[in-house]
Amino acid sequence: EPEVTQTPSHQVTQMGQEVILRCVPISNHLYFYWYRQILGQKVEFLVSFYNNEISEKSEIFDDQFSVERPDGSNFTLKIRSTKLEDSAMYFCASSGAPGQTNEKLFFGSGTQLSVL
Amino acid sequence: DAKTTQPNSMESNEEEPVHLPCNHSTISGTDYIHWYRQLPSQGPEYVIHGLTSNVNNRMASLAIAEDRKSSTLILHRATLRDAAVYYCILVIYGNKLVFGAGTILRVKS
Repeated sequence: EPEVTQTPSHQVTQMGQEVILRCVPISNHLYFYWYRQILGQKVEFLVSFYNNEISEKSEIFDDQFSVERPDGSNFTLKIRSTKLEDSAMYFCASSGAPGQTNEKLFFGSGTQLSVL
Repeated sequence: DAKTTQPNSMESNEEEPVHLPCNHSTISGTDYIHWYRQLPSQGPEYVIHGLTSNVNNRMASLAIAEDRKSSTLILHRATLRDAAVYYCILVIYGNKLVFGAGTILRVKS
């Protein structure tokens, strides 16, 4: 079965550093998402992306965050200057093959980001 | 976003059916009822969704009350691999998922 892959599985960074989290969505999907989950808390929506632009973002997704689909296969989340509170598991998801609805999301296994 | 209410945790014996309830008394006519689950150390996984009619797939069944104010996810034979957090989520067509705390399902052998 096709799957969403995320790299790296773990990322450790120093506060103030930039990080890029990478995702390869399912190949014919059209909608892309980032979610995060702080340890012991709920899964939180960050941003959705469709047709090469952000379609919706949450209050968490401030100017320090950006997303990009640099080529036909990758979808990235950049945090420009990491803070301690950015430490979380970050999940990428994709949905919506052509002709299908975008209702069923497929999630990757996540990147655990630790900001020291 | 419309709210759902789920029990914090439930326990089941292996090989027995599990009924996971969800209340959504403020559901609107355009809200779809989605269920996802999250196994330990993994990303959420789609289980099933429906609008008005009961739904079945290879993973589970979804029973939706006639007034749509509640629904039940049914796992017909729980296995140890079904131990996870189960999320009941209301979604307006095409909109984002908003996760609550979910129900922690423990399966005993």
